[in-house]
Amino acid sequence: DQQVKQNSPSLSVQEGRISILNCDYTNSMFDYFLWYKKYPAEGPTFLISISSIKDKNEDGRFTVFLNKSAKHLSLHIVPSQPGDSAVYFCAASPLGYSTLTFGKGTMLLVSP
Amino acid sequence: DTGVSQDPRHKITKRGQNVTFRCDPISEHNRLYWYRQTLGQGPEFLTYFQNEAQLEKSRLLSDRFSAERPKGSFSTLEIQRTEQGDSAMYLCASSPDGGSYNEQFFGPGTRLTVL
Repeated sequence: DQQVKQNSPSLSVQEGRISILNCDYTNSMFDYFLWYKKYPAEGPTFLISISSIKDKNEDGRFTVFLNKSAKHLSLHIVPSQPGDSAVYFCAASPLGYSTLTFGKGTMLLVSP
Repeated sequence: DTGVSQDPRHKITKRGQNVTFRCDPISEHNRLYWYRQTLGQGPEFLTYFQNEAQLEKSRLLSDRFSAERPKGSFSTLEIQRTEQGDSAMYLCASSPDGGSYNEQFFGPGTRLTVL
């Protein structure tokens, strides 16, 4: 039973365009959501997070949107750069709970 | 930079052997986590420490797995009688104490191959 789903295994985008990565969740107890980026042979690197009291959080080129009623969140990267090419993981946690539940990841390829 | 470090980065072992991995968290972080990642999957939670206390263990953590954090600083993860299904990337993460939200910082991982 996958509680965090990233249904697109891969995404290709041209440099300068917008990248939109999607994530769905099934556990209504989740109320804190994170995005991580992972390069090969490295551990995941924290990118951005959002709590359920917000519907948007922005940090530079990265914006995360949360739609609680649809149990859906998305990560927007604008403009996309070749260095953004990596695997992106969506993760979720209930309030005050210690562990993260991850999706399977989406591989983003940004071409020049 | 004192990020999360893990040692070794790679380990190849034969089935049935015991292996031990080490994780050094960010120095001011009280919480330490172990995850396992297999090909095509996201990281899966194994266990969690608050200082030296092991507060939570996943069902994934069979009897062959044991983790310790004796002085609340570094942690070790031991796998006894390794099986081929144990081949995976073992990730360690840490986070500061306090607050309701849980931003975890990961190390580079130890890749285990069981032959």
